[in-house]
Amino acid sequence: DIQMTQSPSSLSAFVGDRVTITCQATQDISNSLNWYQQKPGKAPNLLIYDASNLETGVPSRFSGGGSGTDFTFTISSLQPEDIATYYCQQYDSLPLTFGGGTRVEIK
Amino acid sequence: EVQLVESGGGFVEPGGSLRLSCAASGFTFYYYAMNWVRQAPGRGLEWVSSIGASYDDTYYADSVKGRFTISRDNSKNTLFLQMNSLRADDTAVYYCASTIVRDNAFDVWGQGTMVTVSS
Repeated sequence: DIQMTQSPSSLSAFVGDRVTITCQATQDISNSLNWYQQKPGKAPNLLIYDASNLETGVPSRFSGGGSGTDFTFTISSLQPEDIATYYCQQYDSLPLTFGGGTRVEIK
Repeated sequence: EVQLVESGGGFVEPGGSLRLSCAASGFTFYYYAMNWVRQAPGRGLEWVSSIGASYDDTYYADSVKGRFTISRDNSKNTLFLQMNSLRADDTAVYYCASTIVRDNAFDVWGQGTMVTVSS
């Protein structure tokens, strides 16, 4: 199975800060990676697909990059409504696996 | 409007069974693969099972293989998850999710249904 390691597990930043989350796969997954946002009590919401493509309707302050085993997710200017937990997910092979999540808070 | 609505969750004792349903609307259900993803309280997301548009293609996480069965009724636009031999570690919110616009990403999710396994 492909394990996905996200870091940090949590972070606290000021409104307007640039925030970056990393996700590392245990083997090469090319660009087979998605990023989701989950707010408390809600279902996850797709933000980035195929490692770097912004889902329709998602604000442009969100971006993704990387390929192979190392990936990044960035919020260019953190907003109060971005408070959530973010997950990466690989679809290179079954079982589909998610990272452990990164909880983002406002300082 | 594209919508997935889960039902069937509840409280069950260890060793018991439960059948979850996911009613789909707003899209051509039989075109698309469907999935179940779960989230234990305070924990991360875990893929559980997938079924292709064709009934024959089914896939399971090792943690549920042999105990859970995914199925679909395309005439009723409904996805199912039959859960047998339930254990305490199956306690979770169960989401159905589909890959409608994005071939390999869960771009539509239901609201989830809670399953609690406890004596």
